[in-house]
Amino acid sequence: QAVVTQEPSLTVSPGGTVTLTCGSSTGAVTSGHYPYWFQRKPGQAPRTLIYDTSNKHSWTPARFSGSLLGGKAALTLSGAQPEDEAEYYCLLSYSGTWVFGGGTKLTVL
Amino acid sequence: EVQLVESGGGLVQPGGSLRLSCAASGFTFSSYWMHWVRQAPGKGLVWVSHISTDGSRTAYTDSVKGRFTVSRENAKNTLYLQMNSLRAEDTAVYYCSNGLASWGQGTLVTVSS
Repeated sequence: QAVVTQEPSLTVSPGGTVTLTCGSSTGAVTSGHYPYWFQRKPGQAPRTLIYDTSNKHSWTPARFSGSLLGGKAALTLSGAQPEDEAEYYCLLSYSGTWVFGGGTKLTVL
Repeated sequence: EVQLVESGGGLVQPGGSLRLSCAASGFTFSSYWMHWVRQAPGKGLVWVSHISTDGSRTAYTDSVKGRFTVSRENAKNTLYLQMNSLRAEDTAVYYCSNGLASWGQGTLVTVSS
């Protein structure tokens, strides 16, 4: 089974910009992996932010965006807010199954 | 409003069985692939299984293959996860999701003697 890698932790200043990445042990991440990004806060259900690389749901704040960058999937947060402090998980599709990354703990400080 | 309500979790002994349910409302259940995802205490999210809109196609993560079975009843807007031969490492909160869009609040499964 493939291994999906994320930065264990990142810190961003309020109002700052940060990019989280999502890599695959099988090679470059492409649109064919249909990358998803989820936000997870303690005691809450996951919240889907991005699907199919860069598509947003109606509830996704505009400051979040998804892309492919240097062979990885990327989630960019522009203008970080205190409420964005959370864990962020990516999810990749592999021929009909899915694998989560280990998550990135994002601190807004 | 989309609502997904998981139930059926609890304490079970190793080797035992449980059936989880996910009651769906607020969307056209029969139009969505449905997923189960779990999170063990202090660990990350793990994708467990999914099922196609008509139930004809299913897939599982390697660690549950042969032990878990996903199914659905579109007439009842309900998703199921039959879990057999449970192990301590299956202890987790189990979430259902409609097409990886919305999520339930989860149900806790504890496998322990």
